[in-house]
Amino acid sequence: SQQGEEDPQALSIQEGENATMNCSYKTSINNLQWYRQNSGRGLVHLILIRSNEREKHSGRLRVTLDTSKKSSSLLITASRAADTASYFCATDTSYSGAGSYQLTFGKGTKLSVIP
Amino acid sequence: DVKVTQSSRYLVKRTGEKVFLECVQDMDHENMFWYRQDPGLGLRLIYFSYDVKMKEKGDIPEGYSVSREKKERFSLILESASTNQTSMYLCASSYRRSYGYTFGSGTRLTVV
Repeated sequence: SQQGEEDPQALSIQEGENATMNCSYKTSINNLQWYRQNSGRGLVHLILIRSNEREKHSGRLRVTLDTSKKSSSLLITASRAADTASYFCATDTSYSGAGSYQLTFGKGTKLSVIP
Repeated sequence: DVKVTQSSRYLVKRTGEKVFLECVQDMDHENMFWYRQDPGLGLRLIYFSYDVKMKEKGDIPEGYSVSREKKERFSLILESASTNQTSMYLCASSYRRSYGYTFGSGTRLTVV
């Protein structure tokens, strides 16, 4: 079952502009993560934000989390052609005391950065 | 650098064959996962394992089984391959829940 849904499905911007992608989810979470996938390859973990955090930064990445709206956003500042990829949000909804856990991924936002 | 290695990048198998997809991680991670990725459907969880010999079904386990005899190796088995199992298969591992997944490069399986 799909938990996270990214918006927009596709985004095309000029190099140097900022890119914003959104993720909405349905049930309460332990944490939310963002991943990047270059064409035909495996996913790369970008950033994890816990349910009690509101904002996190990593280099040119900024992630926000609004648990009251069940939504998150990923901002990439000063985008580069190398940022061209698909971006996925993933949610951990497992009970926090559970011995096992898994992530549920959205369908992704395809970002194209034009040089 | 930590690594998750999937044994094949591309694989072509015939309908009805038994198919083994191998995944090895060198990070001593407890948790390992198998997903399949299809256009328009995103990533869907097939099976996962949180310890040696332990396994749990994900969202779409039908037609698949798994084996985890050693901590570093998690195998996905297609008991009798069918054309609707043509897909990109992604293996991942994780240290614990507060850490992200490390993914392998994926195996693109075509069943003809």
